[in-house]
Parts: sequence; C-alpha cells; structure tokens
Amino acid sequence: GAGVSQTPSNKVTEKGKYVELRCDPISGHTALYWYRQSLGQGPEFLIYFQGTGAADDSGLPNDRFFAVRPEGSVSTLKIQRTERGDSAVYLCASSLRAGGRETQYFGPGTRLLVL
Amino acid sequence: SQQGEEDPQALSIQEGENATMNCSYKTSINNLQWYRQNSGRGLVHLILIRSNEREKHSGRLRVTLDTSKKSSSLLITASRAADTASYFCATAELYGNKLVFGAGTILRVKS
Repeated sequence: GAGVSQTPSNKVTEKGKYVELRCDPISGHTALYWYRQSLGQGPEFLIYFQGTGAADDSGLPNDRFFAVRPEGSVSTLKIQRTERGDSAVYLCASSLRAGGRETQYFGPGTRLLVL
Repeated sequence: SQQGEEDPQALSIQEGENATMNCSYKTSINNLQWYRQNSGRGLVHLILIRSNEREKHSGRLRVTLDTSKKSSSLLITASRAADTASYFCATAELYGNKLVFGAGTILRVKS
C-alpha cells in the first residue's frame, strides 16, 4: 500500500507568517510522529499521537508550534509567527501501534524555508 | 537533544569495500534502529535490533549491539554506489515511544 505522504514538499514563507504542514500516515497505523531535521543533524522528536490525542508533545520547542489529528488519521503541524530558525525539514512517521518496539515509517518530509 | 554520537561523521570508500559505522548512546533502550537517508529527505528503515539481541543480519547489512558499552555498529558488505547516503542510528526509549537519533554518518561509495 501507499507509504506516508506529506504536503507540501517545499514551503517558502516570510518571517511572521503562519504555516500548516500536512501528513497522511499509512492506512491503519494508529501512531503518528512529527520530527524536525536541521541541516547536518539527525531528526529531533516534536510530538507523538496515539489515535486522536497528543500522547507526548515534549519536543515542541515553544507555543508557536501546535499539531492536531482530529480523526485519528491525517495530522497537521501548525507553526504560528514563523521565525528564520524554524527553517528545517519536517518529517512525519507512522507506526502500526504505539510503542518503541514498533518500526516507524517516514514520509519524504516538508522542507520549510522562512525568509 | 540528540541521544548519541556516530562515527565517523563521513566515510568515503571504493565500490566493493565494506563500510562500518558506529553509534553510541547514553540511556537504557528498548531497541536500536538504523535508517538511511538520501538527499536529506525521507528516512528508510534498514534494521531493528532489540536490547536482548547482540547481532542481526539483513542481506548485506550486519548490525551489532553492545548494551554494556551502549554502542552499536552497522556493517555494509560489498558496498555499491547506490549505498551512498546518510546513515542514522536511532534509539527507542525503554518506556517511551519516540526515537532519538544520532547526527549520522555520510557514506560515499565511489565507483
């Protein structure tokens, strides 16, 4: 079946603007994760959903970042008042079930550039 | 914050040679996973080794795990130009759900 998809592939915005990044997980996967990857670094955890609820949002850097998953499938990462430091690749992953034992399958990412 | 460190940061080898990458981490883990990333985009899952396993094979990949030293290694045998990519280790927390990634090793295989 289809893998994890993310839209848009690339997003260029101006400092101070609001952006939404979308993730479509693999069908039937209950757990969904957002990571952020800066240039030359490994991905860093942002938030994890089990079903519709955010089970762990400890990685969100500040209150400008928010994510939802209203129907337990598609998720949207929302960034308010973007700053140049938010520029990164935002990766989404899903797994069949929650838990560290599960393999996480990653999408192609959204490259965000804040000018 | 990132869990561990990988070395080398970059590795350049000839096609047909073996490539070894190492990963160290800091806390107790449930498992350790290796991922490949091409051109800074999506991560491809390569192999998962559980904390009670010491060695695992998948095709040309061999992974070892030493929990006493909190370290792992990934060996790619008979490398190919198509293996050129960044390789990341990621640890799954003992009682959590997120993955904690290292900074990665950039592998270049020259043909």
